Amino acid sequence: EVQLVESGGGLVKPGGSLRLSCAASGFTFSDYSMTWVRQAPGKGLEWLSSITGSGTYVYYADSVKGRFTISRDSAENSLYLQMNSLRDDDTAVYYCAKDGTGTYSYVDYWGQGTLVTVSS
Amino acid sequence: QLVLTQSPSASASLGASVKLTCTLSSGHTNYAVAWHQQQPEKGPRYLMKLNSDGSHYKGDGIPDRFSGSSSGAERHLTISRLQSEDEADYYCQTWGADTVVFGGGTKLTVL
Repeated sequence: EVQLVESGGGLVKPGGSLRLSCAASGFTFSDYSMTWVRQAPGKGLEWLSSITGSGTYVYYADSVKGRFTISRDSAENSLYLQMNSLRDDDTAVYYCAKDGTGTYSYVDYWGQGTLVTVSS
Repeated sequence: QLVLTQSPSASASLGASVKLTCTLSSGHTNYAVAWHQQQPEKGPRYLMKLNSDGSHYKGDGIPDRFSGSSSGAERHLTISRLQSEDEADYYCQTWGADTVVFGGGTKLTVL
């Protein structure tokens, strides 16, 4: 059974940093691309970043490019999102997601999400 | 630019069928999409991948009441025999050119 468990969310001040983690299990982690998606309160889903199964290629939405960094550790079966220079509009539930292939594509499994609140 | 367009809302009666539509932007009409369901206060759930030829591949445990079809730039999600738990937001998703895109979502109300 595929399981994705996010952690690391919380309250942070504007301009601060936070690192999200996602522990993956139930599949061969290195075979699949992984993705971060967020959802601001009352809003729709917003793609943030994807990383290929090998970790060779990474992709970012313009809204987070230069501020967020995606990474993965196949030894730990974990996905990460380093978030710097956080702004009020980064407040959202952040979801870790498994893609259906080894390169960026469609999400076929979702984590339960972790809430990030950016506020002074 | 790769864009997905969804109607903001839809409604149908308990036990009836409903067809939700996701429209691909010009120049991207042969792209596949995925459909996701988000019930109130829950995380999203993958429903299916839907190709341009209408073939679709459902996620684990997705009932037969959910099906997909394609016509030109449109990708459809049909839900038959509507149940109360089908009341949810439905999002389509596509990918290409180093980006991933979600539609704005359709809020389905079951009457």
